[in-house]
Amino acid sequence: KQEVTQIPAALSVPEGENLVLNCSFTDSAIYNLQWFRQDPGKGLTSLLLIQSSQREQTSGRLNASLDKSSGRSTLYIAASQPGDSATYLCASQNEKLTFGTGTRLTIIP
Amino acid sequence: GAVVSQHPSRVICKSGTSVKIECRSLDFQATTMFWYRQFPKQSLMLMATSNEGSKATYEQGVEKDKFLINHASLTLSTLTVTSAHPEDSSFYICSASYGGNTEAFFGQGTRLTVV
Repeated sequence: KQEVTQIPAALSVPEGENLVLNCSFTDSAIYNLQWFRQDPGKGLTSLLLIQSSQREQTSGRLNASLDKSSGRSTLYIAASQPGDSATYLCASQNEKLTFGTGTRLTIIP
Repeated sequence: GAVVSQHPSRVICKSGTSVKIECRSLDFQATTMFWYRQFPKQSLMLMATSNEGSKATYEQGVEKDKFLINHASLTLSTLTVTSAHPEDSSFYICSASYGGNTEAFFGQGTRLTVV
């Protein structure tokens, strides 16, 4: 059974700093890895999807990497802004999505 | 990305009544829809997977008679919480995809409160 873990559970950083969120998964037989953002009381917004054959994906200030063999993915956020404050979830996909526990990010103005 | 609309966004119901939540894919035909439940400050827990025109597949521990899922068309799936009790209060989220391992698109979620 796939298990997805995110560390840290919560993170606070000053505005403008770069930061990295971590995601690890136990079963490397995945089709893709997705990163989502969830604002309080809201649904999920898809940020990046990395296919299993890819190493990374970039969108604006966000860069996600994937190392299938070691069961790890990272989400890099450059030049953080207060609007980036949210919970970030990663999820591995193999027919269905298995979600991580999330990292609650707070950007301090 | 594709748009998935979930309705209602919030609902309060009395204990013992049933509540229906709708999930619609607005601009694509969703072969597969997923229903999740999320407890406060926890991650999403998959409840069931539904494919258009067939019975839903429920995850272990999810009562299929309590959480009725219908996926009668390629653009609409419904989750009915039957005889709701306070412990059913939660945040329910749906997602829709073209099936297989294609990207899933999520609805806005429904906050259910049973009083």
